[in-house]
Amino acid sequence: DGGITQSPKYLFRKEGQNVTLSCEQNLNHDAMYWYRQDPGQGLRLIYYSQIVNDFQKGDIAEGYSVSREKKESFPLTVTSAQKNPTAFYLCASRWGDSGYNEQFFGPGTRLTVL
Amino acid sequence: QKEVEQNSGPLSVPEGAIASLNCTYSDRVSQSFFWYRQYSGKSPELIMSIYSNGDKEDGRFTAQLNKASQYVSLLIRDSQPSDSATYLCAVISGSARQLTFGSGTQLTVLP
Repeated sequence: DGGITQSPKYLFRKEGQNVTLSCEQNLNHDAMYWYRQDPGQGLRLIYYSQIVNDFQKGDIAEGYSVSREKKESFPLTVTSAQKNPTAFYLCASRWGDSGYNEQFFGPGTRLTVL
Repeated sequence: QKEVEQNSGPLSVPEGAIASLNCTYSDRVSQSFFWYRQYSGKSPELIMSIYSNGDKEDGRFTAQLNKASQYVSLLIRDSQPSDSATYLCAVISGSARQLTFGSGTQLTVLP
């Protein structure tokens, strides 16, 4: 099956810990994105990557880090520097560089800080 | 600051009625417009994309775009209880092809 997978579905973190959220796609998409969604709000862009070994900060990158070593994978690390990490994290991908290509989302990871 | 504005709702319509969802955007050079449906606790699902002025129909859904007014809308005909969800408007603009999302409109279709 083609698609975007995220793991884990639920994640609990103690304060001061770093955690890594996984995002994998087998759609041969070039661009990948990480968004954060807080209750009752839209999606805010954390990081994005248009090609392997290159990524750019989005609107709320502070306290997060990413890597793009393979086209299929774009993991997100939530560091202890992120002050309020409890949120719903969504990974998305898109084929090509045209502004006409739709983004598709994975199922999301819900992170809770204990 | 590129912005996408939606009425937050909630919007309630009776089953079988037309639901009208509206969205305005601030960046005049925006080129692509999308509507996503998001059920509670789930990830957004793309339901419509529109790139040129006018109407685009897909089943019970019609997207309308007016670039001069910087306005995009989604009409849902013959609304069903299963259409109850939050609808997110998203706009692509700029060389980075980033999506900017509105905060969403919560729709409830009453049986």
